[in-house]
Amino acid sequence: KQEVTQIPAALSVPEGENLVLNCSFTDSAIYNLQWFRQDPGKGLTSLLLIQSSQREQTSGRLNASLDKSSGRSTLYIAASQPGDSATYLCAGGRGGGADGLTFGKGTHLIIQP
Amino acid sequence: DTAVSQTPKYLVTQMGNDKSIKCEQNLGHDTMYWYKQDSKKFLKIMFSYNNKELIINETVPNRFSPKSPDKAHLNLHINSLELGDSAVYFCASSLDGGNTIYFGEGSWLTVV
Repeated sequence: KQEVTQIPAALSVPEGENLVLNCSFTDSAIYNLQWFRQDPGKGLTSLLLIQSSQREQTSGRLNASLDKSSGRSTLYIAASQPGDSATYLCAGGRGGGADGLTFGKGTHLIIQP
Repeated sequence: DTAVSQTPKYLVTQMGNDKSIKCEQNLGHDTMYWYKQDSKKFLKIMFSYNNKELIINETVPNRFSPKSPDKAHLNLHINSLELGDSAVYFCASSLDGGNTIYFGEGSWLTVV
C-alpha cells in the first residue's frame, strides 16, 4: 500500500529565496507523481506531472524531480514570491487506469513579503 | 469556462438527511473521481469511474452512492448523513489514469 509523506509540514521563508519541498513514497512502483497547490477555500491546481519514466519536469520557476529508487520527489521553487503562499500537495499515481492518486498531507508554505 | 464544476459549493444539513453533490466536466475526459478532504486536510480517494463504469470503491460506507449518467457527469448521493461525513468533497477528472488530474473547487459539507 502506497504511503506518501511530505516534509516539512509548514515552512515560512522571506520573499526571493529559493526553496525545496520534499515528498517521499513507500512503493517504488509508483505510476506517476503529481504536485498540486491548494489555496485556502479552493480546489487543487495541478503544477507538474512526472511520469515514472521521467526524472524531472519544469514549469516557469518550478522544477520537480522524481527518484523512484530512493522513493523521493522534490519541488524546487525559485525566487519565491508572496503569491506562492499556499499548501503544496504531492500525490503518487496508483496505476495507469482509473486508480487515482495517493496524497501526502501537504506542506503549508508562507512567503513573507 | 470552468473545467470541473461541482454544486453546491456549501451545504449545511442535519443528521439523518439525504443529500447529493453534482459534478460535471467539460474537458472530454474519460475518468472521473470523488475525493474526500477531512478536517485535517488529508485527501483520500473515494470512487473512480471510467466511461460510466465504477473502477475504484475505497471502503466507503454504502450510504455513499456515486452515479454516472454519462462520462461527463459523476454525482455523489449520501444517505442518512452522519456528523463524521462533514468534510470537503472534491470531484476530479483525467483523460485517463496516467494523465494530469484536474480538480473542482470542492463542496463543503457540514452535518449538524
